[in-house]
Amino acid sequence: GDSVTQMEGPVTLSEEACLTINCTYTATGYPSLFWYVQYPGEGLQLLLKATKADDKGSNKGFEATYRKETTSFHLEKGSVQVSDSAVYFCALQVPSKQKVTFGTGTKLQVIP
Amino acid sequence: GAGVSQSPSNKVTEKGKDVELRCDPISGHTALYWYRQSLGQGLEFLIYFQGNSAPDKSGLPSDRFSAERTGGSVSTLTIQRTQQEDSAVYLCASSPQGPTQYFGPGTRLLVL
Repeated sequence: GDSVTQMEGPVTLSEEACLTINCTYTATGYPSLFWYVQYPGEGLQLLLKATKADDKGSNKGFEATYRKETTSFHLEKGSVQVSDSAVYFCALQVPSKQKVTFGTGTKLQVIP
Repeated sequence: GAGVSQSPSNKVTEKGKDVELRCDPISGHTALYWYRQSLGQGLEFLIYFQGNSAPDKSGLPSDRFSAERTGGSVSTLTIQRTQQEDSAVYLCASSPQGPTQYFGPGTRLLVL
């Protein structure tokens, strides 16, 4: 079945450090890929998405590139801020299905 | 505009009692999803509605769980004879045409 695997956290970084959160997937067909973010005390919100191979999603300085050959969608940011501290979820949706499959989430803590 | 709302925000109940959780999706969103987020776990898909019908109920963990949606809008998730393992945050999301989901703030359920 469809599945998403992302690196376990927590990830602790100093402010202005580089961030990579790995995400790989298994799916039938050509899924759309997403990163959602959950800030402390808030609901999940879409961070970025990519709908086809080689697409790059970007938002708030975060980027992720849809790599079909490696079935990956790693989240990157060149310089993290304390305000980026949150839980990040990688997710996929296969076009023939409405269900979205989420990874287990990676907690990021950025310290000043 | 108004986002997805859920009520109650917190619910404490005794083992064996029934609970009802409510979700008000964004107006005009035809798809509605329920997820469960347990401590330290990712998002577990429960059920998906398209309009008032539920083409995918595959995630409901047992027959104690049921959900309905009326008027293509409000949805209610009912848990009968609650157990301690039902304690979790229950998230609702809605979606227009397309894969992006908009999440509510969740209902935190604690079964004593």
